[in-house]
Amino acid sequence: NAGVTQTPKFQVLKTGQSMTLQCAQDMNHEYMSWYRQDPGMGLRLIHYSVGAGITDQGEVPNGYNVSRSTTEDFPLRLLSAAPSQTSVYFCASSYSKDSPLHFGNGTRLTVT
Amino acid sequence: GENVEQHPSTLSVQEGDSAVIKCTYSDSASNYFPWYKQELGKRPQLIIDIRSNVGEKKDQRIAVTLNKTAKHFSLHITETQPEDSAVYFCAARSNTDKLIFGTGTRLQVFP
Repeated sequence: NAGVTQTPKFQVLKTGQSMTLQCAQDMNHEYMSWYRQDPGMGLRLIHYSVGAGITDQGEVPNGYNVSRSTTEDFPLRLLSAAPSQTSVYFCASSYSKDSPLHFGNGTRLTVT
Repeated sequence: GENVEQHPSTLSVQEGDSAVIKCTYSDSASNYFPWYKQELGKRPQLIIDIRSNVGEKKDQRIAVTLNKTAKHFSLHITETQPEDSAVYFCAARSNTDKLIFGTGTRLQVFP
């Protein structure tokens, strides 16, 4: 199993550009989520999904969209990038909501 | 909304000493409390978790305690070693299925 795969590893965007961060898992996990990590602020939940076709907002959803058309994939879309979205983004999945989260390796995003 | 507070933000101990990290949560319906360790430049990894029907859980040098009445839980590391140096995060699962993290504790273990 590859686990949770995130692409790209690094990305630089200009303000106003859009892009999609990809996340895929091959463990047949129902629960998937996206976090952003900023210094001193821990891991903040952006969006999450408890199963295919179901998504919900986390703590900091503004400026981001998600979809969950399959169990395996959970892409995160930045609609119009802003410098405040410069961060490290982690995708994570778990078998159920009360199972350990498996994290991807992260995407370091810089918005200039 | 749901909130998890974590203290201290930094913790320095001598090798062999114990380290304690404390967290409080706001949602009384929270029922799952994992702890993650993140080494520099790497992804967070689960080290131990506890569910609300259990008051304490141990795994070798690591233990977690939960006080549901006070809505707080703690991580205890005994006989610390330099390789324990990392950032540790607590988290709490709310009844809306969100897993909310604390802001992290940077633990440094000096030889």
